[in-house]
Amino acid sequence: KQEVTQIPAALSVPEGENLVLNCSFTDSAIYNLQWFRQDPGKGLTSLLLIQSSQREQTSGRLNASLDKSSGRSTLYIAASQPGDSATYLCAVGKNAGNNRKLIWGLGTSLAVNP
Amino acid sequence: NAGVTQTPKFQVLKTGQSMTLQCAQDMNHNSMYWYRQDPGMGLRLIYYSASEGTTDKGEVPNGYNVSRLNKREFSLRLESAAPSQTSVYFCASSEAGTGFEAFFGQGTRLTVV
Repeated sequence: KQEVTQIPAALSVPEGENLVLNCSFTDSAIYNLQWFRQDPGKGLTSLLLIQSSQREQTSGRLNASLDKSSGRSTLYIAASQPGDSATYLCAVGKNAGNNRKLIWGLGTSLAVNP
Repeated sequence: NAGVTQTPKFQVLKTGQSMTLQCAQDMNHNSMYWYRQDPGMGLRLIYYSASEGTTDKGEVPNGYNVSRLNKREFSLRLESAAPSQTSVYFCASSEAGTGFEAFFGQGTRLTVV
């Protein structure tokens, strides 16, 4: 059974720091991995999608990597800002019959302090 | 770009009442999903629909029913609400053509008293 773990559960950093959020999964037979951001009381916003054949994706200050063989993904945030404060969720895409499902981690709650 | 739209945003029900959560997407996606999010448990899949006319159970389907009304709309019904169904409900959609990138609605916060 696929399990997804995110470490750390919570992180507090001063503004300007570069930081890394980790996501690990137990089964390497995935079709994609997606990072989301969730603000308190809000929905989920897709940040980056990495297909199983890709190694990394970049969007602005965000870079996500994928290593299927070791079952790991990292989300790198450069020059963090207070506006980056949110919960970051990792989800792994798995085939399920004629459909595809996402298996979720519990998230990393990030606080960037001015 | 509306994306995925859920209604209502908030709802309070009494135990035993019924209600339907509505979801519509304007991205022409085939796949749609209903999740619930609870503290410490993450997101759990309730039901999903791979295409118009098909629905399948997810991890936690008990107490819920769904209808894929057409390609755009996927509704979730609680026939007899229970306090254990107090949660935040999210609808999502995805499509093979965009690598199954999932797009989410803003959620419905449901409280059952």
